[in-house]
Amino acid sequence: DQQVKQNSPSLSVQEGRISILNCDYTNSMFDYFLWYKKYPAEGPTFLISISSIKDKNEDGRFTVFLNKSAKHLSLHIVPSQPGDSAVYFCAARNYGGSQGNLIFGKGTKLSVKP
Amino acid sequence: EPEVTQTPSHQVTQMGQEVILRCVPISNHLYFYWYRQILGQKVEFLVSFYNNEISEKSEIFDDQFSVERPDGSNFTLKIRSTKLEDSAMYFCASTENYGYTFGSGTRLTVV
Repeated sequence: DQQVKQNSPSLSVQEGRISILNCDYTNSMFDYFLWYKKYPAEGPTFLISISSIKDKNEDGRFTVFLNKSAKHLSLHIVPSQPGDSAVYFCAARNYGGSQGNLIFGKGTKLSVKP
Repeated sequence: EPEVTQTPSHQVTQMGQEVILRCVPISNHLYFYWYRQILGQKVEFLVSFYNNEISEKSEIFDDQFSVERPDGSNFTLKIRSTKLEDSAMYFCASTENYGYTFGSGTRLTVV
């Protein structure tokens, strides 16, 4: 049962262009969403997050959009740089009475070509 | 910048042996987690820990697994009798509120 889905296993974009990574979720009780970037043999590195009460959060080149009615969020990277090449994971917080744990999607491998 | 530290970075063990994976969470964080990622698959939640007890655990976290905070700084994951399918990257994470910080992981290889 995939509560967080990233349907594109990979994405390739040209340097300087926009990268758009998508994520869908099924559980309407998720209250917080995060994007992580991961290089091989390293732990996930936090990128940006958004509360369920907002629809947009921006941090430099990274913007996350949340559409609650569609249960969809996306990460926009503008402009994309070769150093952005990594696997990007969408995660949702399952606030189950305690602090809550994160439910991850399967990830999208982004390749930014010079 | 504060970080979560995990040791060892790579552990090779024989099937049936016990392993202990170690983590030092960020000092002022109150909530601790273990996740794992089997090669090619997604990162999966194992267990969360708060106030010196397990607050939540997944179906993966069966009787072979245990966690402990033996002192004020370390947070350990023990696998009592390892199986081949326990081979994975194991990530420790901690959070104070919303910011979940992950360690670099321990690659466990069961042979």
